[in-house]
Amino acid sequence: DAGITQSPRYKITETGRQVTLMCHQTWSHSYMFWYRQDLGHGLRLIYYSAAADITDKGEVPDGYVVSRSKTENFPLTLESATRSQTSVYFCASSVGSSYNSPLHFGNGTRLTVT
Amino acid sequence: GQQLNQSPQSMFIQEGEDVSMNCTSSSIFNTWLWYKQDPGEGPVLLIALYKAGELTSNGRLTAQFGITRKDSFLNISASIPSDVGIYFCAGPSTDSWGKLQFGAGTQVVVTP
Repeated sequence: DAGITQSPRYKITETGRQVTLMCHQTWSHSYMFWYRQDLGHGLRLIYYSAAADITDKGEVPDGYVVSRSKTENFPLTLESATRSQTSVYFCASSVGSSYNSPLHFGNGTRLTVT
Repeated sequence: GQQLNQSPQSMFIQEGEDVSMNCTSSSIFNTWLWYKQDPGEGPVLLIALYKAGELTSNGRLTAQFGITRKDSFLNISASIPSDVGIYFCAGPSTDSWGKLQFGAGTQVVVTP
């Protein structure tokens, strides 16, 4: 089915480990985004990408790495996980710029760092 | 940078009641967006507003773009159980084209 899918849905990892969250969309949307959701903070942008091989930092990029070698995939890597990175992570895509094209969100990855 | 303040933080309402929530910005917005997040899912766009004073409806939902361009309001009329969730306001970030900034959200709980 067409859409945006995130995997895994749940992940528990230990402090210091590297972990990669996957995001795949089938619409060929140009823009893709990674947000984290924490109580009291709403959704905060980590990284975004305007097209393949073009990425840029968001509001809270420290400790994260992204790549976009193909239009449909936008993986997010935590190079050395910390407890403060325990959160729910949402990937999103849009046809154009966020404010005149609706963001389509995945169902999230709940990450726990112990 | 700009800040989005959304209130109230949470609401407990009875089925059939009307709900109002608002969002204010420290700077002028050209666009206001309202998203809803159902439990266990990602947010979904409800309403987009592009002009000061604009009033737009989507079923029982009505949103308004404030005249000052620094605020927006979302109303839900005759609430039903499926209205439960978190409602987010959002607007474009001024420091980079293509980025959205979200409010902290209003959690709505509907009791029968």
